[in-house]
Amino acid sequence: EPEVTQTPSHQVTQMGQEVILRCVPISNHLYFYWYRQILGQKVEFLVSFYNNEISEKSEIFDDQFSVERPDGSNFTLKIRSTKLEDSAMYFCASSALSGAARNTEAFFGQGTRLTVV
Amino acid sequence: AQSVTQLDSQVPVFEEAPVELRCNYSSSVSVYLFWYVQYPNQGLQLLLKYLSGSTLVKGINGFEAEFNKSQTSFHLRKPSVHISDTAEYFCAVSPIWGSQGNLIFGKGTKLSVKP
Repeated sequence: EPEVTQTPSHQVTQMGQEVILRCVPISNHLYFYWYRQILGQKVEFLVSFYNNEISEKSEIFDDQFSVERPDGSNFTLKIRSTKLEDSAMYFCASSALSGAARNTEAFFGQGTRLTVV
Repeated sequence: AQSVTQLDSQVPVFEEAPVELRCNYSSSVSVYLFWYVQYPNQGLQLLLKYLSGSTLVKGINGFEAEFNKSQTSFHLRKPSVHISDTAEYFCAVSPIWGSQGNLIFGKGTKLSVKP
């Protein structure tokens, strides 16, 4: 069964350092997403990406964040200068289609736990 | 804008008992509704979704949910739970005109099934 894979599963970084979280979406999917879940809080939408550009982003997704699809398979989230409050579980997701299409479930990866110290 | 409220942060229940996890939402536009489950140390897995049609939706693992437009609710139910249902359950919505992946989640309900 196809799945979204994320690496690494856990990353520890020092405050102020740049970090790149990696995701391999399901191969025939066209829409890609990043979410985060701070410990004990709700899962929050960060950004959606389609056709090599950001289609929507939340207020959380400020200039410290960027996303990229550097090749045909990977989808990355970069945090330029990490802060303590960036510590969270980051989930990548992908879906095939959008809008009124019925079978456009978003499939989630297992997440990367980022710890900023 | 949309928001999702899950009224119970934790629900303890005995095995084979019925369970209902409550979810209410607010939105100025029409939305799709979802329930996701997160088992320990795993990602989010879709349980079921409501797009249109019958308001009673059946999902995996014996779960079902009923969409009530007048009460803006989408409560999740299971008539008899198992130990393996212990997990965190998230209700979510997404606007129908946009990607189903642009999800707004509730805070989650931790279901704890005891023997």
